[in-house]
Amino acid sequence: GQSLEQPSEVTAVEGAIVQINCTYQTSGFYGLSWYQQHDGGAPTFLSYNALDGLEETGRFSSFLSRSDSYGYLLLQELQMKDSASYFCAVLNNAGNMLTFGGGTRLMVKP
Amino acid sequence: DTAVSQTPKYLVTQMGNDKSIKCEQNLGHDTMYWYKQDSKKFLKIMFSYNNKELIINETVPNRFSPKSPDKAHLNLHINSLELGDSAVYFCASSQNLARGYTFGSGTRLTVV
Repeated sequence: GQSLEQPSEVTAVEGAIVQINCTYQTSGFYGLSWYQQHDGGAPTFLSYNALDGLEETGRFSSFLSRSDSYGYLLLQELQMKDSASYFCAVLNNAGNMLTFGGGTRLMVKP
Repeated sequence: DTAVSQTPKYLVTQMGNDKSIKCEQNLGHDTMYWYKQDSKKFLKIMFSYNNKELIINETVPNRFSPKSPDKAHLNLHINSLELGDSAVYFCASSQNLARGYTFGSGTRLTVV
């Protein structure tokens, strides 16, 4: 089976940098994804890491260490609109299913 | 607009009733999914279909029956609704999971 751990809540101020960590235990692993979900909205895809290292997309970066079963999402130059829940998700080794973590609620304050 | 669309957006019904949620995608994706998001925002996969064929069924009660008439549609029928079925149900589609799922806007089901 799969289990993922991420903090339930993180608070930061506008303009700051925040890191949301995710550790996973899986019986099979293909890659790690991150999704953003605003209250009342649908999850939207942010990033995917299959290999170790940092992937950067604008203000957001995602990191993966396969040997440590660990990844993180880094959000820079925080804006109020970044207040949302962020989910890490493991892609199984068949490559056909995502298992999601419990989500981290990020609150950005002025 | 290219999207995953699901209807209805809200569904309030009594225990014991039978209800359906419809999902359609015009993205040309081969694979479609149903996920359930509970009140604690935990997202759990229910079913996955690839080109009309069931490929994942995650120990969901038999009261839930998915149907995929073609690869662009994946509907969810729920019999004998229970209080615990109250949740937000998301349909999603994908061509390549490295590029992520595209989720529908969700159906908030409330069983009273």
